This record gives sequence, C-alpha cells and structure tokens, in this order.
Amino acid sequence: GENVEQHPSTLSVQEGDSAVIKCTYSDSASNYFPWYKQELGKRPQLIIDIRSNVGEKKDQRIAVTLNKTAKHFSLHITETQPEDSAVYFCAASRGGREKLTFGTGTRLTIIP
Amino acid sequence: GAVVSQHPSWVICKSGTSVKIECRSLDFQATTMFWYRQFPKQSLMLMATSNEGSKATYEQGVEKDKFLINHASLTLSTLTVTSAHPEDSSFYICSASRPGPYGYTFGSGTRLTVV
Repeated sequence: GENVEQHPSTLSVQEGDSAVIKCTYSDSASNYFPWYKQELGKRPQLIIDIRSNVGEKKDQRIAVTLNKTAKHFSLHITETQPEDSAVYFCAASRGGREKLTFGTGTRLTIIP
Repeated sequence: GAVVSQHPSWVICKSGTSVKIECRSLDFQATTMFWYRQFPKQSLMLMATSNEGSKATYEQGVEKDKFLINHASLTLSTLTVTSAHPEDSSFYICSASRPGPYGYTFGSGTRLTVV
C-alpha cells in the first residue's frame, strides 16, 4: 500500500520568513496530493492540492510543487504569519474513490 | 460547498458499552466513506473504507467485529464502537468522496472518551 513520509516533524520559523515541508510517497499510481492544516480538535482543512498532471500550483502565500519522477512534493508558505501556526499534513491518493493516505504531520510554529 | 455533518462531536461512555457515530453528507451523494482514527499528536490513520450498499473494507489490524461500519445510503454512514475500552479513546473522523475531481470532504470529528 501507499506510504507517505513527511519532514520535518516540527518547524519553527520567524514571522515573515518562509516555511517548507516535504513529503515523499511510494505508490507511483498516486495522482492527487492535498495538503491539510489541522488545529487542535478540529477537522483537517484543505489548504491546497495538486494533481499529477501539474508540477506546481500557487495560491497567494501558499504553493505546492510536485516531482512525480522522484515521488516527492513540497509545501511552501511565504511571508508567514502567527495564524499559520498549526499542524500540517500532506496526503496522497489515486484519486476518485480511492483512500487518502496521510503523512505523519509537521507542527509549524511561527515566532512573532 | 460539500458538507459532511458528523455527530456527536464528543461523547463519554463507560467501558463495555457501545457508541455510534454518524456522518451525513448534506448536499451531495457520498458514494464512498472513509473512517479515520487520530490519537493525540499523531496522524490520521485509516480504519476502513465503505462504499454505499457494500460491506466495509478494513485496514490491517482493525477489528471489524469491534468497529462496525454501515453505509446503507448515499447520505449516511455510521461507525459503531462496540464494547468500548479506554484504549479506544480517540478522535474519530469520517471523510466522504464521490466520483469526479471533488477531493475529500471531512466531517467535524468525534472525540470519544471511554472511562
């Protein structure tokens, strides 16, 4: 089955700096890669996703890059703000009705 | 947008009793429902996948007789934790999908505490 590894497990950055979280996956058939932000006791909130026919996607301060050959994808957050502090999860799926496999999570702390 | 309503949001039960958690898709037909469990400071671990009208497929290590999943309609799926024990205390969350490029819609989660 799919295995998704995520690094780092914790990340502290100064407010205004950039944060990068990286994930690797094992299933070459995976074609959908979402990123979620989760606050304590809440549901995961989709912040950006990318499909395998695209190499990069950007939404304001958030961007995701995908390297299908190397089977890794990354989340980039620029101009970080205190409200970006949360746990972030990457995930991978074959899409459609296939299961979503989550990475181990990254606790991001933005230092004011 | 697509909404999945999950109830209850939290529940406390005694050891040995059963608890039912419901997930309803409010404005779309959830052909597939995924049930996850999340222990504190850990990731979401898939427990089982259910397709409407079919038996659920359980992940390795998940007891199907303990975690009963029913997906009898396209808008309702339930997870029943039977004979609950303190080690079953966790955050349970459902996620619905449907054909097409719609991604996954998560319920709000249920915090189960077994005492």
